[in-house]
Amino acid sequence: SYVLIQPPSVSVAPGKTARITCGGNSVGDKSVNWYQQKPGQAPVLIVYYDSDRPSGIPERFSGSDSGNTATLTISRVEAGDEADYYCQVWDNDSDHYVFGTGTRVTVL
Amino acid sequence: EVQLLESGGGLVQPGGSLRLSCAASGFTLTSYAMTWVRQAPGKGLEWVSLISGSGHTTYSADSVKGRFTISRDSSKNTLSLQMNSLRVDDTAVYYCAKDGGIGGAFDFWGQGTMVTVSS
Repeated sequence: SYVLIQPPSVSVAPGKTARITCGGNSVGDKSVNWYQQKPGQAPVLIVYYDSDRPSGIPERFSGSDSGNTATLTISRVEAGDEADYYCQVWDNDSDHYVFGTGTRVTVL
Repeated sequence: EVQLLESGGGLVQPGGSLRLSCAASGFTLTSYAMTWVRQAPGKGLEWVSLISGSGHTTYSADSVKGRFTISRDSSKNTLSLQMNSLRVDDTAVYYCAKDGGIGGAFDFWGQGTMVTVSS
């Protein structure tokens, strides 16, 4: 089955840039979506179709996808960005959706 | 305004059954694929099951195949998940989510309903 691997945690100082990777076999050939989940809340879509943002999502959130790695970049990190982040794709081979293992972002 | 409201969660013994519902408002269920996602306590997100917009196609994760059935009632604009032969490791918050139609992204989520399987 298809697997997406994320680093368990990323720490970043306010105002700096956080990069969260999502590794999977030829993930660059798939459409990658990213979600933000704060404690006790439902996930929120923040990037879809590799690099598009839903309305209301700040431009500070951006995505890219190439080869075996997709990346979510959070620029000018704020305290409110502290959350868990998940990547997600549709795997055509298994007809399954797959979520990444998740990354906890801590703002120092 | 799109809203999704889950209900039906609770405590059930191993081997038991439970039916979750997700009432949708602000859009028509038959126009979009819908999905269930779960999250065990302290764990990550796990996709559970999908139903196409037409309702003719469903897919389920291997962990629930043959035990869980996704369906919808277009007259009530409600999505359901029938869960049978429940196991302790099915314990999780269950979310329903709407497929936005682009890239398989889930653009709206419900607040979740907790299912606890324990003796």
